[in-house]
Amino acid sequence: DTAVSQTPKYLVTQMGNDKSIKCEQNLGHDTMYWYKQDSKKFLKIMFSYNNKELIINETVPNRFSPKSPDKAHLNLHINSLELGDSAVYFCASSQGTVPGYEQYFGPGTRLTVT
Amino acid sequence: AQSVTQLDSQVPVFEEAPVELRCNYSSSVSVYLFWYVQYPNQGLQLLLKYLSGSTLVKGINGFEAEFNKSQTSFHLRKPSVHISDTAEYFCAVSPLQGAQKLVFGQGTRLTINP
Repeated sequence: DTAVSQTPKYLVTQMGNDKSIKCEQNLGHDTMYWYKQDSKKFLKIMFSYNNKELIINETVPNRFSPKSPDKAHLNLHINSLELGDSAVYFCASSQGTVPGYEQYFGPGTRLTVT
Repeated sequence: AQSVTQLDSQVPVFEEAPVELRCNYSSSVSVYLFWYVQYPNQGLQLLLKYLSGSTLVKGINGFEAEFNKSQTSFHLRKPSVHISDTAEYFCAVSPLQGAQKLVFGQGTRLTINP
């Protein structure tokens, strides 16, 4: 059974479009995250949610809007896509927000904006 | 704020040789330390973590790391590597206080040659 799943795995779209990436975890965790990995493999946190409540919101353009319908799901919607949004986006989850918990990562969604 | 520096972007090693991947960090507050591994086209997986206690921590797949507070380092080692260890390795820190927020290094690409 997949612990953290993301759909789609690949997403190719044109500049200016709006797209969503879905994430689901079946680990019973309370906390979920979105990370962006750029072309140089650098990983940076974007958002974290705990029980559907936004906990961390890094300096991310407001074109990015996370939505958590329940604690098992955290979706990422991106408006007006730009070339610089091309990256691999990882969803992750952990048992709680307390530092020290292991984070479990999904397989990633490779977004290509043309 | 925290920052993590992985001193080698690429490390080529022959199979069955020992390896050390170096990680230094900077932080104005105490942190927890982590090593994650990313196999090709996969998400990240926790190798090991240091929270407290013994400064030598053992992880999965025969890896271990030593926390050195005075040198603010957390180097990863394995006495004998296998082809299957080929992957990207990320060092990360998370402040002890507040919500969990992993800050990653740039990654080290470990390539095992037969």
